[in-house]
Amino acid sequence: GAVVSQHPSRVICKSGTSVKIECRSLDFQATTMFWYRQFPKQSLMLMATSNEGSKATYEQGVEKDKFLINHASLTLSTLTVTSAHPEDSSFYICSAMRVTNGYTFGSGTRLTVV
Amino acid sequence: AQSVAQPEDQVNVAEGNPLTVKCTYSVSGNPYLFWYVQYPNRGLQFLLKYITGDNLVKGSYGFEAEFNKSQTSFHLKKPSALVSDSALYFCAVIGGNEKLTFGTGTRLTIIP
Repeated sequence: GAVVSQHPSRVICKSGTSVKIECRSLDFQATTMFWYRQFPKQSLMLMATSNEGSKATYEQGVEKDKFLINHASLTLSTLTVTSAHPEDSSFYICSAMRVTNGYTFGSGTRLTVV
Repeated sequence: AQSVAQPEDQVNVAEGNPLTVKCTYSVSGNPYLFWYVQYPNRGLQFLLKYITGDNLVKGSYGFEAEFNKSQTSFHLKKPSALVSDSALYFCAVIGGNEKLTFGTGTRLTIIP
């Protein structure tokens, strides 16, 4: 139980375009999901907390207009990287919290902006 | 502010030997502590957690961790290492601010 699916696993896009990453909780409802960014050989940095039916809460230093988060249902949160640039290339990971199981993580998305 | 420290970037252990991956934390209030493992280009997999109760917590794949409140530590251990244990390990904590804070990770390499 408590499976989180993240799609796509890899994406390459041209500079200036936008990319959408999906995070789905497959067997439970998640009112709260989290988006992390991981730089090479570094830890996970919390970008934002996604709340179903309301605006996301962004961490300090994260551009909310750059990283658009939508949590329209209890099983889906999306992260859209708008006007992507090479410095946005990174590994993005979502997670969802289930009261009984704690945090479950998606398999991550490797974004490469060329 | 809460924080997690993993003092070793890299740990090398011979196959069959016991392994320890260190973690110390700083939070206000009682900590909730976690260990996760990450394989290349993959998300994080849950290993174990400490919420309350016994200080020795047993988790997946034969791993265990001991919560030591006086030393604010939560070291990950395994009695006999396998080559397949080679991966990146993250310690994480939830404290008073209820956000999951990760350590910088420790790369564990098991040498055949």
